[in-house]
Amino acid sequence: DAGVTQSPTHLIKTRGQQVTLRCSPKSGHDTVSWYQQALGQGPQFIFQYYEEEERQRGNFPDRFSGHQFPNYSSELNVNALLLGDSALYLCASSLAGYTYNEQFFGPGTRLTVL
Amino acid sequence: ELKVEQNPLFLSMQEGKNYTIYCNYSTTSDRLYWYRQDPGKSLESLFVLLSNGAVKQEGRLMASLDTKARLSTLHITAAVHDLSATYFCAVNYGGATNKLIFGTGTLLAVQP
Repeated sequence: DAGVTQSPTHLIKTRGQQVTLRCSPKSGHDTVSWYQQALGQGPQFIFQYYEEEERQRGNFPDRFSGHQFPNYSSELNVNALLLGDSALYLCASSLAGYTYNEQFFGPGTRLTVL
Repeated sequence: ELKVEQNPLFLSMQEGKNYTIYCNYSTTSDRLYWYRQDPGKSLESLFVLLSNGAVKQEGRLMASLDTKARLSTLHITAAVHDLSATYFCAVNYGGATNKLIFGTGTLLAVQP
């Protein structure tokens, strides 16, 4: 049973560029959440997608956008990259309506902005 | 907005010793999670605590939850080097969406 997968593993971009990160949820899961983890800090919630809609959003600017596809996979897009966007981006999947609604995290994408 | 605080931020301990990591949160929540993170790696789920008085144990780690005090503890018994990692607590904030608010993390270094 495949867990949560993310691609790419590492990415280097320059300021002002745009980036797209991808996530495939754990088999059977229908909800995807994205988190940003800066070096030495805890993960920060970006947003969550369910039924192809953004269901909740954290305190991130509109430069951060996302999408969920009919197969439940998801993309995170960041426009006009800033140096401060350098971080580990984690995708987590869960099953809506399940009592525990536990989130399972993928391996992450390490984004470096130069 | 819910705030989650952990202490200590850094813990250096000798093998064989016991210690406790504390996690305080500011607003009522119905779920608390503990995760482990190795350097450069993702988050590994350790425990899910759902109710007041919940206690869960796995190996040398034991987690408990006091919802009235808004406090969770992660107790380490007879530490071994393999437990060296960063430990995060996270609290559910957002009901059905299960938006997680993470603590600052505790970097645990177990010295031989």
